[in-house]
Amino acid sequence: NAGVTQTPKFQVLKTGQSMTLQCAQDMNHEYMSWYRQDPGMGLRLIHYSVGAGITDQGEVPNGYNVSRSTTEDFPLRLLSAAPSQTSVYFCASSYGAAGSTEAFFGQGTRLTVV
Amino acid sequence: KQEVTQIPAALSVPEGENLVLNCSFTDSAIYNLQWFRQDPGKGLTSLLLIQSSQREQTSGRLNASLDKSSGRSTLYIAASQPGDSATYLCASEGYGGSQGNLIFGKGTKLSVKP
Repeated sequence: NAGVTQTPKFQVLKTGQSMTLQCAQDMNHEYMSWYRQDPGMGLRLIHYSVGAGITDQGEVPNGYNVSRSTTEDFPLRLLSAAPSQTSVYFCASSYGAAGSTEAFFGQGTRLTVV
Repeated sequence: KQEVTQIPAALSVPEGENLVLNCSFTDSAIYNLQWFRQDPGKGLTSLLLIQSSQREQTSGRLNASLDKSSGRSTLYIAASQPGDSATYLCASEGYGGSQGNLIFGKGTKLSVKP
């Protein structure tokens, strides 16, 4: 049981480059979300999805796009990378609706923008 | 807007000591409160989830309590061990449009000395 899988684990980008951080879950969870973790700031919500075809903005959405074409996948796109986007990015999923809403997290993607 | 605070930011204790980590939140209209553990360079692991209708949850040496009226949750760790050294995060989940989205505290970094 893989849980939540994020790729890549590490990435270095030049300012202005674009890239996609991948997130996949195999638990048939409805809710998926992306957070960034910065020293002194804690984890902050970037974008989230309550189901396939539905996405919405979180606390810090600027500079990022998401889509949810399938239940399993929730990629995060950086449109034009900036040094301020240097961070550790975590993808999470939870069952949603009735039942346990325990959140499962991926191992993170450490992104450096130079 | 929900704000989650964790005190202290860091804690160092000798092995075998019982300890309490504190979490406070400003909006009592929460769906649940979760406690996570994060090891350096790793993702988050869910420890305990307390539904809004519950007062406490237990798992092994861990006990988490929830008092919505006072906006507080505590994580009690009994007979601490060096392997408990990690950062502990609490997060609240709201209702309706906020369901599935977690608001995190900045964490308590715990060090258990042999």
